[in-house]
Amino acid sequence: GIQVEQSPPDLILQEGANSTLRCNFSDSVNNLQWFHQNPWGQLINLFYIPSGTKQNGRLSATTVATERYSLLYISSSQTTDSGVYFCAVKGGGNKLTFGTGTQLKVEL
Amino acid sequence: DGGITQSPKYLFRKEGQNVTLSCEQNLNHDAMYWYRQDPGQGLRLIYYSQIVNDFQKGDIAEGYSVSREKKESFPLTVTSAQKNPTAFYLCASSMGEGGGYTFGSGTRLTVV
Repeated sequence: GIQVEQSPPDLILQEGANSTLRCNFSDSVNNLQWFHQNPWGQLINLFYIPSGTKQNGRLSATTVATERYSLLYISSSQTTDSGVYFCAVKGGGNKLTFGTGTQLKVEL
Repeated sequence: DGGITQSPKYLFRKEGQNVTLSCEQNLNHDAMYWYRQDPGQGLRLIYYSQIVNDFQKGDIAEGYSVSREKKESFPLTVTSAQKNPTAFYLCASSMGEGGGYTFGSGTRLTVV
């Protein structure tokens, strides 16, 4: 099946800093999503982005499908951005495969 | 508001007992999914269903069972055959092949 690797595994930022999270995947995909899991476990869908670039406020994402990677940009980070960020992809089948996540902590 | 409701939020059971986790959605989504998350890990797929009265095994289906008698509901039973059932269980739905997934708030199951 498709392998999904995320980097870095852990990240600590000062409030106001910018960051880039990366997701590499091993095969062609027709579905790629970024999720944020808050400290209570709730998974929030940030972007559905199998290709191209999207922006939503301080967050943006870019997927280069031909090179099999996606990037999530967080600008002017806030403490509420803390949590785990997951990339998940779907290839030819019906299974959405998750990476192991990036644990982000934003400090004052 | 449309969404996915999982209940209960916390569940404690004795070893050897079966337990059923509820998942209901009012998004009119065709597909529903159950995932398991262990501490510090990503999500792993247990079962999924693309239409009513049909479902398929995911990567870790052993010790679990599901039903899909209604479009809105996809309950998961954790049976006594599941060797290590203590985990965080998440239910999700989607319109089908394309489109984003919407997740419920999860059920934390602890078996003592």
